[in-house]
Amino acid sequence: AQSVTQLDSHVSVSEGTPVLLRCNYSSSYSPSLFWYVQHPNKGLQLLLKYTSAATLVKGINGFEAEFKKSETSFHLTKPSAHMSDAAEYFCVVSDRDFIFGTGTRLQVFP
Amino acid sequence: IAGITQAPTSQILAAGRRMTLRCTQDMRHNAMYWYRQDLGLGLRLIHYSNTAGTTGKGEVPDGYSVSRANTDDFPLTLASAVPSQTSVYFCASSDGTQGIQYFGAGTRLSVL
Repeated sequence: AQSVTQLDSHVSVSEGTPVLLRCNYSSSYSPSLFWYVQHPNKGLQLLLKYTSAATLVKGINGFEAEFKKSETSFHLTKPSAHMSDAAEYFCVVSDRDFIFGTGTRLQVFP
Repeated sequence: IAGITQAPTSQILAAGRRMTLRCTQDMRHNAMYWYRQDLGLGLRLIHYSNTAGTTGKGEVPDGYSVSRANTDDFPLTLASAVPSQTSVYFCASSDGTQGIQYFGAGTRLSVL
């Protein structure tokens, strides 16, 4: 069975400081892993996707995520937050079905 | 390219009424999905369709039905709406090759 846990429901950072959004997963197989972003009153947009080609995955808007099998983690990072990064972020695990985490709301303060 | 179009964008509905949420995609994707999004619960799968003419139940199918008469359209029907169906509904599609799902902008439904 698959599951995904986003360890923080809210993260607040100052503009220009690093962002870390944490995600742990459980899967019986070699899963695909995704991060999606949802801006207020919008649909979900794909940030990045891991499918075993490389453990460090680069996405859009300067985000990247590192797959660590030993830790069953897929944390999302960005070196320097921008005000426009304020949104809800979802970690997703998939070996057949899409299983969504409960989301992390990122606030960015000026 | 429009991608996925959902209609209406929002709706207030009296309990007991029937409602159909529309979803149309122009990407010729085989698979389509309906999710509901509730605060603190993330997105939960209601129904899905792997290809035109087939449908399947997701995690929370009760009170909802779907049909897939053609590749492009995947309507979601609430036969008799209840307040617990107040939610934001997202339609998604996937071509099945890259495993990526593409989402519509959502329908915000309030059942009173």
